Amino acid sequence: ETGVTQSPTHLIKTRGQQVTLRCSSQSGHNTVSWYQQALGQGPQFIFQYYREEENGRGNFPPRFSGLQFPNYSSELNVNALELDDSALYLCASQLGVSSGGEKLFFGSGTQLSVL
Amino acid sequence: QQQVKQSPQSLIVQKGGISIINCAYENTAFDYFPWYQQFPGKGPALLIAIRPDVSEKKEGRFTISFNKSAKQFSLHIMDSQPGDSATYFCAAIDSNSGYALNFGKGTSLLVTP
Repeated sequence: ETGVTQSPTHLIKTRGQQVTLRCSSQSGHNTVSWYQQALGQGPQFIFQYYREEENGRGNFPPRFSGLQFPNYSSELNVNALELDDSALYLCASQLGVSSGGEKLFFGSGTQLSVL
Repeated sequence: QQQVKQSPQSLIVQKGGISIINCAYENTAFDYFPWYQQFPGKGPALLIAIRPDVSEKKEGRFTISFNKSAKQFSLHIMDSQPGDSATYFCAAIDSNSGYALNFGKGTSLLVTP
């Protein structure tokens, strides 16, 4: 186990609703990234948080937003859910931003289904 | 646009055989190339990684071969075991300016007994 925990593990929402996913990073890790993994695809980068600030963002619309808290845990919020938002949402943590992807630890993800 | 192209999409290998998965990239700024293994219901787990200053890296039964001029890299799993059955992803990142891993689409490996 990586020490990165995500909740809930599964979630069912209807189109137009809002959802909040949560992530606790591995102890001591101050950087959290979120990825979306559609069925049969590789993970796609959503955004990264470092010391409570958004440090970078992928090609996702503004209705995808996030937060990082002083204890480095993080939330991913998605507003106005669409059917295509159905995916596995992965949280990954690392120590610092300079490691460039090294020692990046993923959680088991939250499976979101939008009906 | 897929920055890392991975093939094959699926692979069936007999126990004891060699599994080979290939990836190609275009961005010459990429300087870190990890491979991830993902089991159903789990997140990706780092398997092995390489930087372009070496052409090969071996860890146990897993080997990465890297061809910088061709902008290609591959994962070889020697003596494949049924427990290796999983989805494998290659990825790449420009660690100097990037913060996002660029993943391939994945290869579903089945090792038959």
